Amino acid sequence: AQSVTQLDSQVPVFEEAPVELRCNYSSSVSVYLFWYVQYPNQGLQLLLKYLSGSTLVKGINGFEAEFNKSQTSFHLRKPSVHISDTAEYFCAVSLRNAGNNRKLIWGLGTSLAVNP
Amino acid sequence: DTAVSQTPKYLVTQMGNDKSIKCEQNLGHDTMYWYKQDSKKFLKIMFSYNNKELIINETVPNRFSPKSPDKAHLNLHINSLELGDSAVYFCASSQGQYNTEAFFGQGTRLTVV
Repeated sequence: AQSVTQLDSQVPVFEEAPVELRCNYSSSVSVYLFWYVQYPNQGLQLLLKYLSGSTLVKGINGFEAEFNKSQTSFHLRKPSVHISDTAEYFCAVSLRNAGNNRKLIWGLGTSLAVNP
Repeated sequence: DTAVSQTPKYLVTQMGNDKSIKCEQNLGHDTMYWYKQDSKKFLKIMFSYNNKELIINETVPNRFSPKSPDKAHLNLHINSLELGDSAVYFCASSQGQYNTEAFFGQGTRLTVV
């Protein structure tokens, strides 16, 4: 079955430290990859996406992610986090299904807690 | 200008009641979605509409009925509410399906008592 795995449900980190949120997916077909952020009591907002081209993708708020096809991963990174980055982060993968339509599969989310 | 707006933001109601949540997008998108997010933050697609036509109808009780009067609106009606329906419901829209950014509303927190 197709799936998206966010390997860490919670990531505590100190302010100004680097962070990596991991995302792996299971699929061998054409994929589009997304990271969304959900701040407390708000809707989801796109951080960055990979559709094609360069495997290193830069997004908003200083985040970036690297698409690794051989490892089927799309890990999210930030070199120095701020308190305001405390939020829930969701990885999502758009896969082409048997009917040649696309289906979006969501990870379970990673809760990033940035401490002073 | 709010891109995707949902009303109400909070909804508290008794078991057995019928309620509706409204969603409007002013982005000119052709696809709209309803998602349910449970208390553990798990996000589940419920419905997807493309140009007012139902595209995705995941395993959702038939007490839930979406209605899309036009491309800019997708409402969700829930009959005979149950305790397990308590969750945050998000409306979203995109241009095309799953190959572009989805814009989410602020969510409607539904509490069934």
